[in-house]
Amino acid sequence: GAVVSQHPSWVICKSGTSVKIECRSLDFQATTMFWYRQFPKQSLMLMATSNEGSKATYEQGVEKDKFLINHASLTLSTLTVTSAHPEDSSFYICSAVPLGLAEYEQYFGPGTRLTVT
Amino acid sequence: GENVEQHPSTLSVQEGDSAVIKCTYSDSASNYFPWYKQELGKRPQLIIDIRSNVGEKKDQRIAVTLNKTAKHFSLHITETQPEDSAVYFCAASRSGGYNKLIFGAGTRLAVHP
Repeated sequence: GAVVSQHPSWVICKSGTSVKIECRSLDFQATTMFWYRQFPKQSLMLMATSNEGSKATYEQGVEKDKFLINHASLTLSTLTVTSAHPEDSSFYICSAVPLGLAEYEQYFGPGTRLTVT
Repeated sequence: GENVEQHPSTLSVQEGDSAVIKCTYSDSASNYFPWYKQELGKRPQLIIDIRSNVGEKKDQRIAVTLNKTAKHFSLHITETQPEDSAVYFCAASRSGGYNKLIFGAGTRLAVHP
């Protein structure tokens, strides 16, 4: 149980285009999902907290107009990187917290590797 | 702001030796401390976690200790094996999973046969 998927697993896009990454909780509902970015040989940096039915909460320094987050259902959150640039190339990982339980653990997706050329 | 410091950044041990990784957190309201193992290109895997109401937790070869007063927590791996080689991250959060995880910088562990 507690499986989180991401799609696509990897994507290459041209500079200036937008790309959408999906994060799905497959066997549980999640009101809260988190989006992280991880550059090579670095730690996971939280970008934003995605709450179902409300606006995402962005961490300091993360441009909300560039990284659009939509959490339209209890099983799906999407991250859209708009006007992508090579410096946006990174490993993007989401996590989800099951609804309704006194859960501490976040369940991570497998990540999406974005390369902007 | 919230911060988690992790040391060492790299750790090299011989198979069978023990490995210890240490973290310090700044937010005194933190009460959940997970440890993750991440292999290259993969998702972080939770290997052990501890809540602030206990001082130590053990699971086979892995143990975690927590000193709330000093705001320190540590990961101990005994009888290391080559398959333990990976990057290990500590993290801290408040009040459970609905609050964000703050990650340490990571420790690259190499276990040599």
